[in-house]
Amino acid sequence: DTGVSQDPRHKITKRGQNVTFRCDPISEHNRLYWYRQTLGQGPEFLTYFQNEAQLEKSRLLSDRFSAERPKGSFSTLEIQRTEQGDSAMYLCASSLDLLETQYFGPGTRLLVL
Amino acid sequence: GESVGLHLPTLSVQEGDNSIINCAYSNSASDYFIWYKQESGKGPQFIIDIRSNMDKRQGQRVTVLLNKTVKHLSLQIAATQPGDSAVYFCAENGDFGNEKLTFGTGTRLTIIP
Repeated sequence: DTGVSQDPRHKITKRGQNVTFRCDPISEHNRLYWYRQTLGQGPEFLTYFQNEAQLEKSRLLSDRFSAERPKGSFSTLEIQRTEQGDSAMYLCASSLDLLETQYFGPGTRLLVL
Repeated sequence: GESVGLHLPTLSVQEGDNSIINCAYSNSASDYFIWYKQESGKGPQFIIDIRSNMDKRQGQRVTVLLNKTVKHLSLQIAATQPGDSAVYFCAENGDFGNEKLTFGTGTRLTIIP
């Protein structure tokens, strides 16, 4: 399978714990995007990378959230001190280049108890 | 802020009939539009895209129409099949060369056998 992959697919955690999600983009895609989707809504942009450089962050991305793409390949999204409001589907997408199609992964569903 | 909206939250269509899903956008500077299909528990799946220098684009059983005058986008699915049942999102990039996508809330399409 050469699509975008995400791990884990599901995560249940207690409020206050830290969680980390991983995204592996399609090979050779230099753009990588993170979105968040809550029930009944469309995805909302969080941040994106061009290779290893993080180029834009949404104001949705509070200081408890951090994303990295250290070698320009896979990316991680960490949420510190999780809150119940962080419960959502976290989606990763990648594209070959500027304004090319963004292909999404299956998402990581987070539930904060 | 700018938003992307859909006219109908749900749509039911008889199998074999054609369906049309509509989307209104408010940002006249958007120059890239995409339709995604999302099945339950999965990430959004790319269907078709269109740039602002076009008003129509066709794919396999799908056609996207863009009316920049009234800022309206539609997705036509021909000869619908049970596998077309899903939530459909339109998304736009909000500004020339902008990479982050803004999604609408989605339309749930149900194909009746």
